[in-house]
Amino acid sequence: AQTVTQSQPEMSVQEAETVTLSCTYDTSESDYYLFWYKQPPSRQMILVIRQEAYKQQNATENRFSVNFQKAAKSFSLKISDSQLGDAAMYFCAYRSGQAGTALIFGKGTTLSVSS
Amino acid sequence: EAGVAQSPRYKIIEKRQSVAFWCNPISGHATLYWYQQILGQGPKLLIQFQNNGVVDDSQLPKDRFSAERLKGVDSTLKIQPAKLEDSAVYLCASSKDYMETQYFGPGTRLLVL
Repeated sequence: AQTVTQSQPEMSVQEAETVTLSCTYDTSESDYYLFWYKQPPSRQMILVIRQEAYKQQNATENRFSVNFQKAAKSFSLKISDSQLGDAAMYFCAYRSGQAGTALIFGKGTTLSVSS
Repeated sequence: EAGVAQSPRYKIIEKRQSVAFWCNPISGHATLYWYQQILGQGPKLLIQFQNNGVVDDSQLPKDRFSAERLKGVDSTLKIQPAKLEDSAVYLCASSKDYMETQYFGPGTRLLVL
């Protein structure tokens, strides 16, 4: 069975600084997708970034980028120029490339941003 | 485009009572998911629908939980009878199809006393 591990329960960063959230996963599959979701205190889960395993290029969305190390099964999220609005719980998630499979989430990392 | 709607947002019940949650997915989304998120943990899939058929309900406690998706649109999740350990946030998500990005609703926070 696939598992997702987020080893940092809490992280903190100052405004305008850069922070990296860690995620490792375990799978024997070669076709899969990885995601980072953000869940602010209002609890609406929002997709931050998505990575297809077959793509070597790391995904980037504005200030958010990932470091995808397929061999090491590592998928970290880097947030540049942190803003107060980035404060939230961040979840790393895995989905198999097989049809009909749902997301498998890690336990999350709470990110706080200070001014 | 309207997002995924859920109601109620909060519910407090006594153990052994029944409760139902409602979800309206994004228009045109064929796949609908119910997740349970216990405090301090990531969401866990309870059930996945493709149109009005069940794709995966392997982690649904079927002795007390039930779900349906009538006409392939709205869905309801029911708990009967509730236990203390059912206290959690119940998230509904939808996607255009099972391989597409999932969009989440605001969730229903359930407290069982």
